[in-house]
Amino acid sequence: GENVEQHPSTLSVQEGDSAVIKCTYSDSASNYFPWYKQELGKGPQLIIDIRSNVGEKKDQRIAVTLNKTAKHFSLHITETQPEDSAVYFCAASKISGNTGKLIFGQGTTLQVKP
Amino acid sequence: KAGVTQTPRYLIKTRGQQVTLSCSPISGHRSVSWYQQTPGQGLQFLFEYFSETQRNKGNFPGRFSGRQFSNSRSEMNVSTLELGDSALYLCASSLGTTGTEAFFGQGTRLTVV
Repeated sequence: GENVEQHPSTLSVQEGDSAVIKCTYSDSASNYFPWYKQELGKGPQLIIDIRSNVGEKKDQRIAVTLNKTAKHFSLHITETQPEDSAVYFCAASKISGNTGKLIFGQGTTLQVKP
Repeated sequence: KAGVTQTPRYLIKTRGQQVTLSCSPISGHRSVSWYQQTPGQGLQFLFEYFSETQRNKGNFPGRFSGRQFSNSRSEMNVSTLELGDSALYLCASSLGTTGTEAFFGQGTRLTVV
């Protein structure tokens, strides 16, 4: 069935260091991979996404890479800041036919220590 | 541009009761999806509505239902509440066409006692 595995479950870094979160998906038909950031008491916020026709996408300090062959995708945050502390979720979806259904990973709690 | 609005923010209900949650999507968005978030199970897809029709459904019992109105606002209903239904219920709004981003509301925190 559809499944997304996310690692690590917790990640602690010093301010200024980089953070990497990795996800693996099971459904080879998945072709859309968003990342969400959830702060305490708030809903998930879309921070970046990638489609299967692209291998890498960058937005300022955040980048996402996709390896379709291995069914892996990763989130990279450089020059981390305390305000990056939150829970991060990866997700996978099939754009055609099942639009709207996101399969989420279990989440990674990122702590950035000042 | 207003974001996704969910009401109420918090609810306390008794086992056996029913509850209705509301979601107003971003203006112009025609798709509303609902998710249940719990510490143990994470974020799980409940169902999606597009142009007043249920387009997709997750693996939840029939006690969970929803609908969408002509103005794209959506409601979800849970009947015969169980303790295990305590969760954060999130709705996500999108244009509904292929490859469009989904934006979440702040959620409704439901506690069943």
